[in-house]
Amino acid sequence: AQSVTQLDSQVPVFEEAPVELRCNYSSSVSVYLFWYVQYPNQGLQLLLKYLSGSTLVKGINGFEAEFNKSQTSFHLRKPSVHISDTAEYFCAVSVTGGFKTIFGAGTRLFVKA
Amino acid sequence: EAGVVQSPRYKIIEKKQPVAFWCNPISGHNTLYWYLQNLGQGPELLIRYENEEAVDDSQLPKDRFSAERLKGVDSTLKIQPAELGDSAVYLCASSSGDRGLASYNEQFFGPGTRLTVL
Repeated sequence: AQSVTQLDSQVPVFEEAPVELRCNYSSSVSVYLFWYVQYPNQGLQLLLKYLSGSTLVKGINGFEAEFNKSQTSFHLRKPSVHISDTAEYFCAVSVTGGFKTIFGAGTRLFVKA
Repeated sequence: EAGVVQSPRYKIIEKKQPVAFWCNPISGHNTLYWYLQNLGQGPELLIRYENEEAVDDSQLPKDRFSAERLKGVDSTLKIQPAELGDSAVYLCASSSGDRGLASYNEQFFGPGTRLTVL
């Protein structure tokens, strides 16, 4: 079975500072990896995905993530955050060939002025 | 193009009452998902439909929850009777489910229905 662990429940950061949201997964088979963002009172929106190929994945809003197979991690990064990045971020894993997606518990990013 | 539509956005009911949520997926998406999202948690799959067929309902508490997607388009999720612990956000998502391509299909989420059971 697959599982996802988001290591930080909350991450406060000042505007224009860099940020890293950590995600580790567990799976005995190949997986697809995702980061979703959820703004207040909205549904989830896909930020980026890793399916195969380059381990550095670039997404929307200046976010990127790096797949590290040996450490089973998929950390999300942004070099300079904005107030509008304040939201809940979810890491997720899906088994290749399947439709079931397992979500982590989420990390609340709070960007302060 | 319209996204995934859910209604109502908010619902407050007394315990033991029935409640229903409606979802209209993106046009042409034949895969539809219902998720439960508890406060401070990630979404958890309740049921997945391929067209009108429920292909994964293993996490649906069938004693009180039911779902239908009669014509393979919109869907309704029902709880009867509701319990205090059912207070959560119920998310609907859809994907194109085109298995002819890579075995990944991006899920598009609706805004959810926030249920409060008193």
